[in-house]
Parts: sequence; C-alpha cells; structure tokens
Amino acid sequence: SQQGEEDPQALSIQEGENATMNCSYKTSINNLQWYRQNSGRGLVHLILIRSNEREKHSGRLRVTLDTSKKSSSLLITASRAADTASYFCATEYTGANSKLTFGKGITLSVRP
Amino acid sequence: DGGITQSPKYLFRKEGQNVTLSCEQNLNHDAMYWYRQDPGQGLRLIYYSQIVNDFQKGDIAEGYSVSREKKESFPLTVTSAQKNPTAFYLCASSNPRGSNEKLFFGSGTQLSVL
Repeated sequence: SQQGEEDPQALSIQEGENATMNCSYKTSINNLQWYRQNSGRGLVHLILIRSNEREKHSGRLRVTLDTSKKSSSLLITASRAADTASYFCATEYTGANSKLTFGKGITLSVRP
Repeated sequence: DGGITQSPKYLFRKEGQNVTLSCEQNLNHDAMYWYRQDPGQGLRLIYYSQIVNDFQKGDIAEGYSVSREKKESFPLTVTSAQKNPTAFYLCASSNPRGSNEKLFFGSGTQLSVL
C-alpha cells in the first residue's frame, strides 16, 4: 500500500500548547496536503505543500516537508479547544493518473 | 453559497437491497470522487470521474456503481454485492480537471445495515 502514515495516532494537549503531527510516505510525491475532520463531518482542506517547497505557513499552521526523509510535519501553534479534530495527511504520488492517498489520521484533543 | 451536498445524512440498508447515495456540487468542478471511511481508518477511493459521462474505478470499486450524467451530480449505488457496506461515505470534488489539488468534501452519509 502507498498509504502515508501519521504519527502519533492520538495526541492530547492543553489549550495554548503547540501540537505537532507527523506524516511519512513511501515514494516520490508531487504534493502533500493536510486535512481536518470534525467528528461525523466531511474533511476540510488546510494546506498544500509541493515537492519543491520546504515550509509553508497559514495562520497558526506551519507545514514542513523533507523529501529526503519522505516526511512532513504539521504544527498548530497556540492550540484552542476548537482545534479538537482528526487530522489527515494526503499525498499525490508522481506518475500518471495518480490520485490522492490518505493516511489513517491523527486524533487531536485540546483540553480547555 | 457554493459547496457539495450529500444526502441522506443517515441511510439504512436491508439484506439484498441496493441503495443510492446522492452527491451534488455547485462549484462547477470537473472532477468528483467517492471515498469510503471505516472507523480509525483513512479514506479509500471507490470511484472517481474527471468529466461528464466518464468515470474510473478506484481502489475498492467492487460492489459499487456510479454514473456521471451531469457535471453537478455523481450518485453512488451500493449494491447487494457489497457484503460489508457499513461505513461513512464521503463525496468530494476538485478543479481543474484531473488535478488532485484541494479536494472539497461533502458532509458525508453514514450507511448502516439493518
């Protein structure tokens, strides 16, 4: 399977702390994306980083990509209770007709 | 208010019954997708369509069928051949055609077996 793997599977932090989530993948990619899912809802796109980029920011989100290690990290700074959700990384592998492959997700709980 | 609408929110299937999940988008996107999500699992691609009147099998197409007669609509039928249909089903769309960039998702349909 080409599925990416997130780490840790679950994370519990206090409001105001930073949350760091990691994603590893197996083969060359065009881009890597992070999505968020609230319980029982659809996924919402957070950020996309291309294979030639090393870091991107969006508000309180910071994503890094290390293609030599085939890994990415998502940092949420100054977390809030409303950040409680599942977070998924999705990779678009190189090659014709490649579709996004999603990992199993990380469950983030932010305690008030 | 643009977006993707999935209906119904909850659906129950009896043994041997086919059921159809609706997905409508008003984002003018060319590509549409169906994913299945099981508890604690990632999303698995069932079918996708990059243009009207054309669709392709994903990783787990067996027991499912789709149609794409209109750009706005991509219904998914879960047939009686799908022996383990209980799951959360998500529809998504993207643009431009064929690009995986930024999928927009509906709010999902939870399918359960009676």
